[in-house]
Amino acid sequence: GAVVSQHPSRVICKSGTSVKIECRSLDFQATTMFWYRQFPKQSLMLMATSNEGSKATYEQGVEKDKFLINHASLTLSTLTVTSAHPEDSSFYICSASRSGLARETQYFGPGTRLLVL
Amino acid sequence: LAKTTQPISMDSYEGQEVNITCSHNNIATNDYITWYQQFPSQGPRFIIQGYKTKVTNEVASLFIPADRKSSTLSLPRVSLSDTAVYYCLVGDRSGGYQKVTFGTGTKLQVIP
Repeated sequence: GAVVSQHPSRVICKSGTSVKIECRSLDFQATTMFWYRQFPKQSLMLMATSNEGSKATYEQGVEKDKFLINHASLTLSTLTVTSAHPEDSSFYICSASRSGLARETQYFGPGTRLLVL
Repeated sequence: LAKTTQPISMDSYEGQEVNITCSHNNIATNDYITWYQQFPSQGPRFIIQGYKTKVTNEVASLFIPADRKSSTLSLPRVSLSDTAVYYCLVGDRSGGYQKVTFGTGTKLQVIP
């Protein structure tokens, strides 16, 4: 149990286009979902936290108008990278938590590799 | 926000027990300690979680001293497939829900 999927697994796009990444909790309902970004040989950096039905909370330095997050249901959250540029190329990982409480384990998706040309 | 400190890297021979220690001096009373494993180009995988004393599951043990300012992940008899980055996380409740910060992690290299 507690499986999280992401789609697509990898995407290549041209500079200036928008890319949508989906994160789904397959066998549980996720009140809270998190989006991370990971550059090569670096740790995961939290971008934003979203609760179902609410606006996402973005970390300092993350542009909310560039990284649009929608958590419309208890099993789906989407991250849209708008007007992507080469510096947005990264590994994007989502995680899901049943309750979002401190003790609740986060289950991570397999990640999405984004390459912006 | 509790911050964690881990060794950047460790090497171990196959079949040995590996202990990775994490420091979290500013851990809050209600914070839990969680360890994740990450292989290249994959999302982190949950290993173990604890609050105090010792926790054991089928893959690892977690030792937490009484002051909770550190924790040690113990991997028994490692194999080549255990080569990965291991992250120690401390939960930080902010705004009513959990937020965690990933540290640098420990890159474990298992040698044949």
